[in-house]
Amino acid sequence: EVQLVESGGGLVQPGGSLRLSCAASGFTFSSFWMTWVRQAPGKGLEWVARIKQDGSEKHYVDSVKGRFTISRDNAKNSLYLQMNSLRAEDTAVYYCARVHLSPWDGFDIWGQGTMVTVSS
Amino acid sequence: DIQMTQSPSSLSASVGDRVTITCRASQSISSYLNWYQQKPGRAPKLLIYAASSLQSGVPSRFSGSASGTDFTLTISSLQPEDFATYYCQQSYSSPLTFGQGTKVEIK
Repeated sequence: EVQLVESGGGLVQPGGSLRLSCAASGFTFSSFWMTWVRQAPGKGLEWVARIKQDGSEKHYVDSVKGRFTISRDNAKNSLYLQMNSLRAEDTAVYYCARVHLSPWDGFDIWGQGTMVTVSS
Repeated sequence: DIQMTQSPSSLSASVGDRVTITCRASQSISSYLNWYQQKPGRAPKLLIYAASSLQSGVPSRFSGSASGTDFTLTISSLQPEDFATYYCQQSYSSPLTFGQGTKVEIK
């Protein structure tokens, strides 16, 4: 079964750090671009970052540049999001997702999401 | 950044109705437009990619079309399981951006 499972969410104080993980199974992880999308409580979807198959290209939304780092370990079939200098506005459910066929396609496989709460 | 504007923000419809949701891009995005369905507490689901390509496993009552910078998602005959929030998303250039969503409710 094709599956993505996120972990690592939780409660963190403003200015703190958190590392999210996404474990992939059921497909050739190293063949796909991967991405993170977040959704603040009661709000819409916001794209956060994406990474190329070999990790050589990474793109971010402006609001997380310099604070978040996307990475992957193809040997472990895992995607990561290192989040530093967290702010209250980073509070959201974070989803990892697989990019469908090319970098210009939609996201066809999603994880269940992991909640990140930034609060003192 | 490319802005995606969806309309309407919400709509009420009955089972069997034909429903149309529109998404307008602030600049040309070619056909790099995707549509998602999201139900409460669930992850989004890809319905349409590249403006009009139906994702595998998605019922044929869903269709997408494009005209310039205007994109349309059509549900030909609304079913009970289709009550949800729908989002468009451009994948033409980074940062990738989503529309604000359209909530489809039961009339």
